[in-house]
Amino acid sequence: GNSVTQMEGPVTLSEEAFLTINCTYTATGYPSLFWYVQYPGEGLQLLLKATKADDKGSNKGFEATYRKETTSFHLEKGSVQVSDSAVYFCALIKAAGNKLTFGGGTRVLVKP
Amino acid sequence: EAGVAQSPRYKIIEKRQSVAFWCNPISGHATLYWYQQILGQGPKLLIQFQNNGVVDDSQLPKDRFSAERLKGVDSTLKIQPAKLEDSAVYLCASSPLAGGAYNEQFFGPGTRLTVL
Repeated sequence: GNSVTQMEGPVTLSEEAFLTINCTYTATGYPSLFWYVQYPGEGLQLLLKATKADDKGSNKGFEATYRKETTSFHLEKGSVQVSDSAVYFCALIKAAGNKLTFGGGTRVLVKP
Repeated sequence: EAGVAQSPRYKIIEKRQSVAFWCNPISGHATLYWYQQILGQGPKLLIQFQNNGVVDDSQLPKDRFSAERLKGVDSTLKIQPAKLEDSAVYLCASSPLAGGAYNEQFFGPGTRLTVL
């Protein structure tokens, strides 16, 4: 079946540091890939997405590139802020039905 | 535009008791989802409705969980009787429609259930 594996946290960084969260997936065919973010006390929000190989999703300074050859969709941000402290989830959708399969989440804590 | 509403936000019950959660999706969204998020894990889909019909309930523990979506709008998720392992956050999401193309799911704030 489909699965998503992402690096375990917590990841603790200083403000303006570079952030990378690794995500790899297992799925047949060509899934669509997503990063969701969950800020403290809030619901999940879509951060960015990519629907085909080599696509780059970007939003709020975050980027992720769909790499089919390595089945990866790593999230990066060049300079994090305290407000980026949250839990980040990598996810995929395979084919029809709109069913999201999530990774386990990575908690990121950015210190001033 | 109002987001997905859920209530209650928190619930504490004892094992073997019953509990119900309510979700009001974004107006006009045909598809509604219930997810279970156990602490430290990613959300897991329990059931998906399109309008008032069930599309996918393959991971719903049907011996104790039930869900309905009357008139294709609001939905309730019920657990009866609850077990300790049901302690989790229950997330509701909605999207405009389901099909071959992805439609963004919008999530509510969730209901945190603690079973003692």
